[in-house]
Formats: sequence, C-alpha cells, structure tokens
Amino acid sequence: KAGVTQTPRYLIKTRGQQVTLSCSPISGHRSVSWYQQTPGQGLQFLFEYFSETQRNKGNFPGRFSGRQFSNSRSEMNVSTLELGDSALYLCASSYRQGGDTEAFFGQGTRLTVV
Amino acid sequence: GENVEQHPSTLSVQEGDSAVIKCTYSDSASNYFPWYKQELGKRPQLIIDIRSNVGEKKDQRIAVTLNKTAKHFSLHITETQPEDSAVYFCAAINTGTASKLTFGTGTRLQVTL
Repeated sequence: KAGVTQTPRYLIKTRGQQVTLSCSPISGHRSVSWYQQTPGQGLQFLFEYFSETQRNKGNFPGRFSGRQFSNSRSEMNVSTLELGDSALYLCASSYRQGGDTEAFFGQGTRLTVV
Repeated sequence: GENVEQHPSTLSVQEGDSAVIKCTYSDSASNYFPWYKQELGKRPQLIIDIRSNVGEKKDQRIAVTLNKTAKHFSLHITETQPEDSAVYFCAAINTGTASKLTFGTGTRLQVTL
C-alpha cells in the first residue's frame, strides 16, 4: 500500500510569508504527527492530530498551526515565516493515537526561508 | 514533560566492530522505546522497539536493552556493515497518557572499511 506522502518536497519562501504543507497518511491510519528536523536538534514535535482533533502540541509559537481532514490528510501552516523556520518538516502516520505503534514517516518537506 | 538525552552525537567504527548508542529518559512512567534509523536524504524508519515489561530484545544484528531503574536504554549493533551508516534516533513515550513521542537528538554512525 502507498506510504506517507508529503507535498511539496521543496519550498523556498521569503521572511514574512506564510506556507502550507500537506501530509497524506497511509490508508487506514488516523493519527498524523508533525516534526521539525534541524541539524543538531533532532526531531522536535510540533503537534499530533487524531480523528480531526489536535491531541498534543509541542513547544512551538502560535505561528505554527495545523489541521486534519475527515480523510485523515493533514496540513501544517506556518505564518510570518522567520529565517529560523528553515528546516525539514516531517509528518508521520500511525494506526493509533498515542505513539505506541510504529510511526511511518513521509519523505519530508524541506523549507528554506530567505 | 519527557526529556531524552542521547550519546554520542557521532560514532565512527570499523566494519565488523560493534556500535553502542545510549539514551536516558526522565519520565519514569515512559513505557515504549523505539529506535529509528535515518539514512542520508531519506525518511526515518523504525528498526527496533522495546516495551517496559522487557529487558532486552534482539533482531539479527541489532539489540536493545532497557534498564528501568536507571531510566536508560541502549542500541547495540554487532558486526557493523557500511550500510549501517546513518543517523539513529532513540525515543520514549508514556503510552498511558497518550503523550507525544519524544526523540533524542540523534547519533551519526559512520562505518568505515
């Protein structure tokens, strides 16, 4: 079956702009989590959605938001972009909420803010 | 919240040698500990996991050990091969609270010929 799909793969934006990233989970998976990956910082948790509801949120400013649709696809939005937002954004889907089952990652969206 | 520390940040071993990566966690209620491998330019993938009711788990050349008292778990790779070169992440979660999966900062393993 198809894996986790993230679009777009690469994105270049200027400071102050906003961006929307998309994640389509594996069919049947209802949990989608988002992570920011930067060198030396590992995988920083942004938020998790399950059944269209945000279940957990990491320590990121309110400029980072997300949502999940009825088909479990999720979008992440970053407003008023800053240079420090440049990173690889990964989403992961799981069958259950809570992280005790394998998380399948997408290829990521590499965001560059100039 | 949970805090996971991972060491070393980089590790270089010769092909055939063993590699050990160590992680400590802060939440004594954490009960699930997966390890992910991320090859250059690729997505992280689960390679092994362990739950708190088990002290050790093996899968061919890789093994994970868990010491709940010390809040410490480790990844062991034996007979390393060049294809083991990647970044490895440990993680921990308290599944009872359905909290978030907390990752360590990663270990870059380089297996040299």
